[in-house]
Amino acid sequence: DAKTTQPPSMDCAEGRAANLPCNHSTISGNEYVYWYRQIHSQGPQYIIHGLKNNETNEMASLIITEDRKSSTLILPHATLRDTAVYYCIVRVDNAGNMLTFGGGTRLMVKP
Amino acid sequence: DAGVIQSPRHEVTEMGQEVTLRCKPISGHNSLFWYRQTMMRGLELLIYFNNNVPIDDSGMPEDRFSAKMPNASFSTLKIQPSEPRDSAVYFCASSRQGFSGYTFGSGTRLTVV
Repeated sequence: DAKTTQPPSMDCAEGRAANLPCNHSTISGNEYVYWYRQIHSQGPQYIIHGLKNNETNEMASLIITEDRKSSTLILPHATLRDTAVYYCIVRVDNAGNMLTFGGGTRLMVKP
Repeated sequence: DAGVIQSPRHEVTEMGQEVTLRCKPISGHNSLFWYRQTMMRGLELLIYFNNNVPIDDSGMPEDRFSAKMPNASFSTLKIQPSEPRDSAVYFCASSRQGFSGYTFGSGTRLTVV
């Protein structure tokens, strides 16, 4: 699986958009980008994933650059409950689908 | 859908005792994963099963750890004998095979004293 690089921490004002970046410059053509988050004392929660097109669901939007070497998770209107550690993971589906979690980005949403 | 169910939520045991953690995956999910989380090492994959068969146990720290999945709706992670360094939160997750959108349980917080 390709390695990912994320900033260790970020702050965001409540109600504003939170844009969490992830670099995955060694990504290969069949690797997906997955995002999870872990709120304190809870298990990780799947947010969204994509291959090359931008994706949106009820939780977030995922923007993948054209060269696929980086991506951004967007929480359009961050709330205090979005304070969590956000993990960006790159991997191939249908290939022994183990996930390896890195350090992630600790997002602090402030009032 | 009740989600992935883990028990117990908290376990405190003395060093040397046997500990058994339990997990019920989401019905219809045929992949199951056991993770361990500590402050020092983060989230580590211990073992995973596809269709009740262990596929990769390379993350199991040592022979004191064992995991079983006797059927599609139940898995156990056993530590015997337990040691203080096993203290961690243990998570179980399940998914459809081939899809990496896991659903995690709430975890078992294990403290070995």
